[in-house]
Amino acid sequence: DQQVKQNSPSLSVQEGRISILNCDYTNSMFDYFLWYKKYPAEGPTFLISISSIKDKNEDGRFTVFLNKSAKHLSLHIVPSQPGDSAVYFCAASARWSDSGSARQLTFGSGTQLTVLP
Amino acid sequence: DSGVTQTPKHLITATGQRVTLRCSPRSGDLSVYWYQQSLDQGLQFLIQYYNGEERAKGNILERFSAQQFPDLHSELNLSSLELGDSALYFCASGRDTDTQYFGPGTRLTVL
Repeated sequence: DQQVKQNSPSLSVQEGRISILNCDYTNSMFDYFLWYKKYPAEGPTFLISISSIKDKNEDGRFTVFLNKSAKHLSLHIVPSQPGDSAVYFCAASARWSDSGSARQLTFGSGTQLTVLP
Repeated sequence: DSGVTQTPKHLITATGQRVTLRCSPRSGDLSVYWYQQSLDQGLQFLIQYYNGEERAKGNILERFSAQQFPDLHSELNLSSLELGDSALYFCASGRDTDTQYFGPGTRLTVL
């Protein structure tokens, strides 16, 4: 049962254009969402996050949009650069009721973004 | 550099053996999380420790165990290793907020 889904395994975009990566979730208890970027042989690098009380968060070239009614979030990268080529993981978490510090992440399967020069 | 360190970077061992993976969290982080990434799989949560105590368990096998020491570093112990345990093992750390920062991982190969 995949609670976080990234339905596009790969995406190719021209340099300078917008990259849009999508993520869907099923667990309505999720209240915090994150995007990570991963290069081969490295650990995931945190990019940007959003709390469920917001519908948009922006950090430089990266913007995350959250549509709670559709249980959908997306990451926009503008403008895309060749160095953005990596696997992007969407992750979600829910605060466990018995412990405020427990915040396991549930990851999607990732989308390989390739930015073409 | 996330500030989370993991050793060793690579580990090759045989079936039936036992190994220990080590993680040092970012300075000030009390929570340590362990994740497994197998071939063609996403990252799967294994276990979380907070200030020395186990706080949450995910899909962790009984052959696997972890602990967090008073200096907050953590160790993941994998025993009776099987071929299917070959994977990347990531440690992440965080404060009482929600963002987790990942280490570079340990690649375990079981032959």
